[in-house]
Amino acid sequence: DAMVIQNPRYQVTQFGKPVTLSCSQTLNHNVMYWYQQKSSQAPKLLFHYYDKDFNNEADTPDNFQSRRPNTSFCFLDIRSPGLGDAAMYLCATSRLTPRGENTEAFFGQGTRLTVV
Amino acid sequence: AQTVTQSQPEMSVQEAETVTLSCTYDTSESDYYLFWYKQPPSRQMILVIRQEAYKQQNATENRFSVNFQKAAKSFSLKISDSQLGDAAMYFCAYRSGGRLRYYGGSQGNLIFGKGTKLSVKP
Repeated sequence: DAMVIQNPRYQVTQFGKPVTLSCSQTLNHNVMYWYQQKSSQAPKLLFHYYDKDFNNEADTPDNFQSRRPNTSFCFLDIRSPGLGDAAMYLCATSRLTPRGENTEAFFGQGTRLTVV
Repeated sequence: AQTVTQSQPEMSVQEAETVTLSCTYDTSESDYYLFWYKQPPSRQMILVIRQEAYKQQNATENRFSVNFQKAAKSFSLKISDSQLGDAAMYFCAYRSGGRLRYYGGSQGNLIFGKGTKLSVKP
């Protein structure tokens, strides 16, 4: 029944070593989001895709990149993880209708990233 | 820019009793959506309830209801007959509404409050 699936659930990476987090969805939603959630804080939007159109938040560091090879998959690449990038990373999806209305967001379980 | 404020970092309720979580927001828009999301420990965030700003009637979903005061920009969540499974982090969220002529940037994305951690005592 899982609709938004994130892998892995837990990821440990070394300082400065590139790491990729993945997200897949079975909802056929045209919008996919990546949020960063640090301990005891609200989720913060990093970027999102509307179909293949990439939309970066103004304050998202260049260290964070994303790829969406098809409708179902979206990846978060962290080129050189720092200690400050340790967080929970949430993937979410929604559907933007032809009338321009956005449905509710569905979230994955998140990937908890530890940087050592 | 829109902001969402949850002034209660933690709340506690006795099982079977009622608890109200507070949320206020700031916006200059007239058309928007408000949500309450629940995030249990180590589990995914799920939607609890949503409210369209143009609707005066408060949304209700089983034991969950909201008190939406548009003029005061207040959106509180009431949980009745609290259950152990209600223990979680609760996030209030805002999203711009209306029809989007052009979808780009942050338009249509969720803006979250910092959350309220709810504990339920047996």
